[in-house]
Amino acid sequence: DTGVSQNPRHKITKRGQNVTFRCDPISEHNRLYWYRQTLGQGPEFLTYFQNEAQLEKSRLLSDRFSAERPKGSFSTLEIQRTEQGDSAMYLCASSLAPGGGSIAFFGQGTRLTVV
Amino acid sequence: GESVGLHLPTLSVQEGDNSIINCAYSNSASDYFIWYKQESGKGPQFIIDIRSNMDKRQGQRVTVLLNKTVKHLSLQIAATQPGDSAVYFCAEKAAGTASKLTFGTGTRLQVTL
Repeated sequence: DTGVSQNPRHKITKRGQNVTFRCDPISEHNRLYWYRQTLGQGPEFLTYFQNEAQLEKSRLLSDRFSAERPKGSFSTLEIQRTEQGDSAMYLCASSLAPGGGSIAFFGQGTRLTVV
Repeated sequence: GESVGLHLPTLSVQEGDNSIINCAYSNSASDYFIWYKQESGKGPQFIIDIRSNMDKRQGQRVTVLLNKTVKHLSLQIAATQPGDSAVYFCAEKAAGTASKLTFGTGTRLQVTL
């Protein structure tokens, strides 16, 4: 499978615990994005990387959230001290830049449930 | 499995009919638009895209129309099939930004036999 891969697919955690998600983008893609999606809503942008550099972060990304892409390949998204409001689908996407409107391909997402 | 779009606008069409899904976008500075299809429990799947210097683009069974005057985008699906049942999102990218997408609220398409 050469698409965007996310792990785990599902995560249930207790409030206050830390969680980490992984995203493996399409291999030649240099841009990687994280989005969050709650039920009934479209995905909301969280952050993006070009290679290993994190170039933009949404105000939605509180200081409990951190994302890395250390070698410009896979990325991790960590949520510290999880809250029930963090329950959502976390989506990763990748694209090939430049090109301005290059298509972002999404993974299947990680469904987080905070209990 | 989970359900995407519990309270979304719903369009019901009969199998074989054409579907038209509409989207109003917000930013007049957007220069690129994409339609995604999302099935329950899955990530968004690319359908078709269009740049702001075009007003129509066709793919296989799908056509996207862009009206920049009224900031309106539509997705037409010809000969709708049961496998087309999903939630459809339009997304826009502002000019000068690096592919960050802003998604609309989505429309659920239900195909009846």
